[in-house]
Amino acid sequence: AQKVTQAQTEISVVEKEDVTLDCVYETRDTTYYLFWYKQPPSGELVFLIRRNSFDEQNEISGRYSWNFQKSTSSFNFTITASQVVDSAVYFCALSAYNQGGKLIFGQGTELSVKP
Amino acid sequence: DGGITQSPKYLFRKEGQNVTLSCEQNLNHDAMYWYRQDPGQGLRLIYYSQIVNDFQKGDIAEGYSVSREKKESFPLTVTSAQKNPTAFYLCASSIAGTRGRSTGELFFGEGSRLTVL
Repeated sequence: AQKVTQAQTEISVVEKEDVTLDCVYETRDTTYYLFWYKQPPSGELVFLIRRNSFDEQNEISGRYSWNFQKSTSSFNFTITASQVVDSAVYFCALSAYNQGGKLIFGQGTELSVKP
Repeated sequence: DGGITQSPKYLFRKEGQNVTLSCEQNLNHDAMYWYRQDPGQGLRLIYYSQIVNDFQKGDIAEGYSVSREKKESFPLTVTSAQKNPTAFYLCASSIAGTRGRSTGELFFGEGSRLTVL
């Protein structure tokens, strides 16, 4: 069975702090995709990143970075120098390689960045 | 602008009534999805459709029905058989990847919040 766990329900930081959102997954598939989505107060989820299971290179996009470690089944997300606009609920998700749109989501982590 | 439009944004229903949530996209995407979000839980897949006139059940399809008569439209009906329908419903779409399967990069609407009175 596939499962995604985001153990941090809520995180509160002060602007300019770095923050890491944890994501641990379970799957028996050898090939799969991992994702992060952001849900701002408006409600729609916004795609942030997709990672193939065979590509463990870390990725950086501006203030965002992702650390994928197959050995620990983790796909953590770090925001550097957080800003108030980063306040949102962040979801980690998993899909089988041949079922890209059928995502298994974690419970979400609500990030609050205070000025 | 291209995107996904869900309506209504808020909906109240009496027990025993069916309601239909609208989802329209102008992104020319082949695949469309309905997810349900409950407080403190992640999203769960209700139904999905990869092509017009075809759709499949997701993980929690009981008490729901869908249709896909047009590429741009994927309405969801919450029937009276759904025991706990109060939730936030999100529609999404995606392009078809290789062999017609989505890459998983979903575009979401702003959701419809259904409350059963």
